Amino acid sequence: EIVLTQSPATLSLSPGERATLSCRASQTISNFLAWYQQRPGQAPRLLISDASNRDTGIPARFSGRGSGTDFTLTISSLEPEDFAVYYCQQRSNWPLTFGGGTRVEMK
Amino acid sequence: QVQLEQSGAEVKRPGASVRVSCKASGYTFTTYGISWVRQAPGQGLEWVGFIATHNGNTHFAESVQGRVTLTTDTSTSTAYMELRSLRSDDTAVYYCSRYRVASDYWGQGTLVTVSS
Repeated sequence: EIVLTQSPATLSLSPGERATLSCRASQTISNFLAWYQQRPGQAPRLLISDASNRDTGIPARFSGRGSGTDFTLTISSLEPEDFAVYYCQQRSNWPLTFGGGTRVEMK
Repeated sequence: QVQLEQSGAEVKRPGASVRVSCKASGYTFTTYGISWVRQAPGQGLEWVGFIATHNGNTHFAESVQGRVTLTTDTSTSTAYMELRSLRSDDTAVYYCSRYRVASDYWGQGTLVTVSS
């Protein structure tokens, strides 16, 4: 199965700062990668599909890029509601797999 | 509006089975698959399985292969996940989600607790 490695595990930043999250795949997955946000006690929320397509209603401060094995989620200027855990997921091969997550915490 | 409504929390003994339901509304059920994801307490997301609602084809994670069955009832737009031979490490919140290229709508989650 394809292993997704997210880094860093934790990102400590202040509101207004830029967040850069990484997801690396163990083999090439083209652009078949999604990003999700999960706040405490809530279900995950789709942010981006196919590496760079923002889902409906997702603010423009969230952007994704990458292809092959290396992917990045960028939050251009952190809002208080953005402090959460972020997961990547690949759909290139079955089984689908998630990365271990990156926690974005307030410094 | 799209909604996925899951059944309530369950407490089961080791070795027992559990069935979780997921009732979809607000869209044509057979135009999207259903993906199941679980999250153990304090842990990350783990993909469990997928069912194509238009033909019943399924795919599963290796961790549950042979113990899980995914089904749908298209007449009620409801998906079901049955997990058998429960172990303590199956304790988790189980989510269903609408899936095409990604999971764009999620249920509220169902806590399954396996304890003797």
